[in-house]
Amino acid sequence: KAGVTQTPRYLIKTRGQQVTLSCSPISGHRSVSWYQQTPGQGLQFLFEYFSETQRNKGNFPGRFSGRQFSNSRSEMNVSTLELGDSALYLCASSLQEFGGKTQYFGPGTRLLVL
Amino acid sequence: AQSVTQPDIHITVSEGASLELRCNYSYGATPYLFWYVQSPGQGLQLLLKYFSGDTLVQGIKGFEAEFKRSQSSFNLRKPSVHWSDAAEYFCAVGAPGNQFYFGTGTSLTVIP
Repeated sequence: KAGVTQTPRYLIKTRGQQVTLSCSPISGHRSVSWYQQTPGQGLQFLFEYFSETQRNKGNFPGRFSGRQFSNSRSEMNVSTLELGDSALYLCASSLQEFGGKTQYFGPGTRLLVL
Repeated sequence: AQSVTQPDIHITVSEGASLELRCNYSYGATPYLFWYVQSPGQGLQLLLKYFSGDTLVQGIKGFEAEFKRSQSSFNLRKPSVHWSDAAEYFCAVGAPGNQFYFGTGTSLTVIP
């Protein structure tokens, strides 16, 4: 069974632009979670989607948003990019809603904001 | 408040030596417990997990972890470390209906 895939793997943007990241979960998984990983803050939870509904949200500004499609694929959008948004963005999928089952991670999207 | 503590930011061991990475948690109830490993520039790979039952769990790559409820700990161990084990290790806790919480990670260096 294929693992979690994320596209693109690397991205360079400039301040003020917006970006959309994509995540395809493991087949059959209905939960998708997003995390931001930076050297200073570690792994921080952004949000979780289950069956196209946002179920949990972390403490991030409204510039960070997401959605999930009927096939469980998810996208994350960041508007008005700031230098501090440079990070590795990880997506994880799970069979059940947050915490209910093991999360399996994708390879991540490395975003650099100049 | 829920939290996960990995007291050791960085550990260096010699190849062939034993390894123990510490993880302590603070949670309202007995959570699900996980250890993940991350190689540079990569995502997180699940090493092992504990949901219930036997408190000593076996994982991939020869790793094991022991859940100690009285100490709120879930330490990761390996009897003989290989050079390929050099990576960042994350402990995580979760529970149904609640988000995952990750520790800040322990970076492992293996000396030949």
